[in-house]
Amino acid sequence: NAGVTQTPKFRVLKTGQSMTLLCAQDMNHEYMYWYRQDPGMGLRLIHYSVGEGTTAKGEVPDGYNVSRLKKQNFLLGLESAAPSQTSVYFCASSTTPGLAGVGSYEQYFGPGTRLTVT
Amino acid sequence: AQSVTQLGSHVSVSEGALVLLRCNYSSSVPPYLFWYVQYPNQGLQLLLKYTTGATLVKGINGFEAEFKKSETSFHLTKPSAHMSDAAEYFCAVSDTGANSKLTFGKGITLSVRP
Repeated sequence: NAGVTQTPKFRVLKTGQSMTLLCAQDMNHEYMYWYRQDPGMGLRLIHYSVGEGTTAKGEVPDGYNVSRLKKQNFLLGLESAAPSQTSVYFCASSTTPGLAGVGSYEQYFGPGTRLTVT
Repeated sequence: AQSVTQLGSHVSVSEGALVLLRCNYSSSVPPYLFWYVQYPNQGLQLLLKYTTGATLVKGINGFEAEFKKSETSFHLTKPSAHMSDAAEYFCAVSDTGANSKLTFGKGITLSVRP
């Protein structure tokens, strides 16, 4: 049971390049999330998904797109990278809040992807 | 809207000393509260959580936290710090409805001096 995995672990992009970050979970979770972590800012939610085929905007969605074609995968795309998108990106997953009981509010995190845009 | 306040960005304690990391929240409904720990170059790991029931919650690695509704606080404590506790700690709040999401505080870095 690998939990939540993220690919790649590190990436350097030039301004204007595009890339896709992959998140995979093997816990059969319905909900998946993408966060970015910046010094002194905590974690901020970019996009999230409440199930296969659905996505929604979080707190800081601009410049990012996401897709959830399969339940176990959640992709984060940057179409035209900017230096302001230099950050550490975390994916997380959870069961459906309120459905499986109180334990379902816990989110499980991947190891992160460190992205630098020059 | 929910929010979390973690005062200060860095706490330094001596090995063996009490660890106290403060967290205050605002929420329009009874919240669920979490503490996560992040070791260097790793993802976040759940330390403990409060959902319902006993307000004193025990977590992993000897940490505990007490939910105080009247003070809207959920401070994290450990009686005796260990070098391995050096990490960043995040408090988070979630409401209890469908599609609920976590709101994180800005985090506190804990250093432990030998």
